[in-house]
Amino acid sequence: GQNIDQPTEMTATEGAIVQINCTYQTSGFNGLFWYQQHAGEAPTFLSYNVLDGLEEKGRFSSFLSRSKGYSYLLLKELQMKDSASYLCAVRAYTGGFKTIFGAGTRLFVKA
Amino acid sequence: NAGVTQTPKFRILKIGQSMTLQCTQDMNHNYMYWYRQDPGMGLKLIYYSVGAGITDKGEVPNGYNVSRSTTEDFPLRLELAAPSQTSVYFCASSYSFQQGDQPQHFGDGTRLSIL
Repeated sequence: GQNIDQPTEMTATEGAIVQINCTYQTSGFNGLFWYQQHAGEAPTFLSYNVLDGLEEKGRFSSFLSRSKGYSYLLLKELQMKDSASYLCAVRAYTGGFKTIFGAGTRLFVKA
Repeated sequence: NAGVTQTPKFRILKIGQSMTLQCTQDMNHNYMYWYRQDPGMGLKLIYYSVGAGITDKGEVPNGYNVSRSTTEDFPLRLELAAPSQTSVYFCASSYSFQQGDQPQHFGDGTRLSIL
């Protein structure tokens, strides 16, 4: 089966940098997504990694190491509006392509 | 550009009642998904569809049924509502192909309470 682990909660200060880790165990790995979800709202796409390395998109970057089953999301220059849950999702081929979501990391940004 | 549209946004059901949650997308995506999200938890995949006429079970399919008669529509049916099905339900769609994947687009969710 598949297993995805993320920290439950993190707190960081406005203007700082925070790294949210995600570890996964799966066969047939075919890509990893990060989504942002504000309270009471739908998830929205942030980043996608399928090869090892770093993908940068403005203040957000995502890293993947397939051999270690590890990814992180890096948020720079934190803003209050970054307070949200961050969901790691793994796509894998298990007789068909499925995307399984982790439980999410709730990030609190304080002034 | 509507994206993924879910109806209703809120609903209260009595135990044993049935209902259908509607989902439609206008992006010509081949894949569609239904998730449930319990308070403070992640998304659990209920059912998904890789194209019209094809559906498959996700992690938590019991108590639900789906159909995909067209590319645009993917309704989720609850036949005998139970309190354990109280949750927020999200429909999503994506364009997926074997070599890669585009991100999923989510509807605004349906908040369902069963009393």
